[in-house]
Amino acid sequence: DGGITQSPKYLFRKEGQNVTLSCEQNLNHDAMYWYRQDPGQGLRLIYYSQIVNDFQKGDIAEGYSVSREKKESFPLTVTSAQKNPTAFYLCASSIRQGARMDQPQHFGDGTRLSIL
Amino acid sequence: GQQVMQIPQYQHVQEGEDFTTYCNSSTTLSNIQWYKQRPGGHPVFLIQLVKSGEVKKQKRLTFQFGEAKKNSSLHITATQTTDVGTYFCAWSPYLLEYGNKLVFGAGTILRVKS
Repeated sequence: DGGITQSPKYLFRKEGQNVTLSCEQNLNHDAMYWYRQDPGQGLRLIYYSQIVNDFQKGDIAEGYSVSREKKESFPLTVTSAQKNPTAFYLCASSIRQGARMDQPQHFGDGTRLSIL
Repeated sequence: GQQVMQIPQYQHVQEGEDFTTYCNSSTTLSNIQWYKQRPGGHPVFLIQLVKSGEVKKQKRLTFQFGEAKKNSSLHITATQTTDVGTYFCAWSPYLLEYGNKLVFGAGTILRVKS
């Protein structure tokens, strides 16, 4: 079955620590995305990547970093500069854009990050 | 910038009652997508609307895109407990070559009393 795998499901961060959230997809999708969701709120875009070795900041990139060395993988690092990291993190992917048509995004099961 | 409001924020209905959530934009949208997120789960794509005045149905769910492409609605007829979750609208401020940069509404939380 094709899909998006996020790990770990739960993660705890200590003060001053960087942590990395994994996102792997076997859908052969070009584009990948990271969102942050706070309780009772919508999704906010952190970073997105259209193709390998390319990524752009979303609306709330400060305190986060990403890499896209392989098409299948788009890990997110939550750095110590992110002072309020407690949230639900969702990774998504989509196929290459068609002409004037948006494509649906497919989401992983998410990672819940908390501060110790 | 583009402002899109999703209302209501929360709705609690009796099983069998209807439910509607709305997304209203200050400017014209190129298209709109709808997602459902079950409690504790991840968003799942439901549908995309592109054309002015478009109406699409999926069993008990009816999706509409306004004539001016500034508003959209999701209507559920005779809600069931399986409809519980948060419903989001989402749109792209602009298109990308390889993907789409979606902006999500705040969502409407639906609770169903059985």
